[in-house]
Amino acid sequence: GQQLNQSPQSMFIQEGEDVSMNCTSSSIFNTWLWYKQEPGEGPVLLIALYKAGELTSNGRLTAQFGITRKDSFLNISASIPSDVGIYFCAGFTSGTYKYIFGTGTRLKVLA
Amino acid sequence: DAGVIQSPRHEVTEMGQEVTLRCKPISGHNSLFWYRQTMMRGLELLIYFNNNVPIDDSGMPEDRFSAKMPNASFSTLKIQPSEPRDSAVYFCASSWWRGQNTGELFFGEGSRLTVL
Repeated sequence: GQQLNQSPQSMFIQEGEDVSMNCTSSSIFNTWLWYKQEPGEGPVLLIALYKAGELTSNGRLTAQFGITRKDSFLNISASIPSDVGIYFCAGFTSGTYKYIFGTGTRLKVLA
Repeated sequence: DAGVIQSPRHEVTEMGQEVTLRCKPISGHNSLFWYRQTMMRGLELLIYFNNNVPIDDSGMPEDRFSAKMPNASFSTLKIQPSEPRDSAVYFCASSWWRGQNTGELFFGEGSRLTVL
């Protein structure tokens, strides 16, 4: 099925470092969502974005809806060990009424 | 508030057996989605319902898969007969659609299926 291009695929970082990841698409989206998934669990919604250019924070997490509506970015500041997991982006388009998911960024934090 | 509830959490069955996965969406949500997650293919949308009506089932792998939503608070995904390649984690998710933009999508904890 259709997927978004998400990068990087994986990251190994030291505790305290900042993290950046992004998703890009050839399609325009009306909504961008960012999720975190831990082993054996379902994806948990972190941030939802509804307008081009929108910048939204949730604690140490900040996400942006790209101006072109074809991309989105997630930043995690001052990473901690519990940030470990797989982060997914998802785009929603009203044309198809589908949520399309990125391939995920696997984050590992070294204490 | 209760989130999306799925059952069973784990299912191990033999090839050829029927498998039924169940989902209770978040109360008040009007859209329900079934996804399958594997290492190779990531999260794949199988089918989604809006107001209990199937809207798009183009992601359903083949006729062995079927899904129903008899009411706003219950949905099933059935595989008959099951095959080893169906082994995956199946997620149910629900949301509230409101016009052009839509609400957040919330996932259940998934049903891990192993077909021997």
